[in-house]
Amino acid sequence: GIQVEQSPPDLILQEGANSTLRCNFSDSVNNLQWFHQNPWGQLINLFYIPSGTKQNGRLSATTVATERYSLLYISSSQTTDSGVYFCAAISGGSYIPTFGRGTSLIVHP
Amino acid sequence: DARVTQTPRHKVTEMGQEVTMRCQPILGHNTVFWYRQTMMQGLELLAYFRNRAPLDDSGMPKDRFSAEMPDATLATLKIQPSEPRDSAVYFCASGLETGSPLHFGNGTRLTVT
Repeated sequence: GIQVEQSPPDLILQEGANSTLRCNFSDSVNNLQWFHQNPWGQLINLFYIPSGTKQNGRLSATTVATERYSLLYISSSQTTDSGVYFCAAISGGSYIPTFGRGTSLIVHP
Repeated sequence: DARVTQTPRHKVTEMGQEVTMRCQPILGHNTVFWYRQTMMQGLELLAYFRNRAPLDDSGMPKDRFSAEMPDATLATLKIQPSEPRDSAVYFCASGLETGSPLHFGNGTRLTVT
């Protein structure tokens, strides 16, 4: 099955800093999603982005399907951005999302 | 705002007891997934249903775990008998078969003592 790798595994930022999280996948994808798991454990949809670029406030995501990676940009980070960011990919006809191990982000005030 | 609903939110039980977790998918969604999250293994797929039919449960320990969808509004995950190593957060997610995002419930945090 498809392999999904995320980097970096851990990230510590000062409030106001920008960051880029990366998700590499081993096969072509039909679906790529980014999630934020907040400190209460909830998995929140951020982006559904099998290709192209999307923006939502301070967050944006770009997926380059031909090169098998996706990037999540966080600008002007806030303490509420802390948590774990997961990407999940679906390839071929499986319809089963495979998750990366996540990037754990801590934003200090 | 449509949501996936999971109950209970927390469950503490003793080893050997039966545990049942429930999930109400978003109305109209035809795929349901059960995931288990632990620090060591991350998010692991346990079961996958499409149109209420189980299509993949290869990640589920068959001797003690079972997953069903009695109807389109209810998915259940049972563990019998439970063991301490089953302690984890269990997530249910639902979606449409193609071209749409997956939505997660808030999870059931299970502790088996």
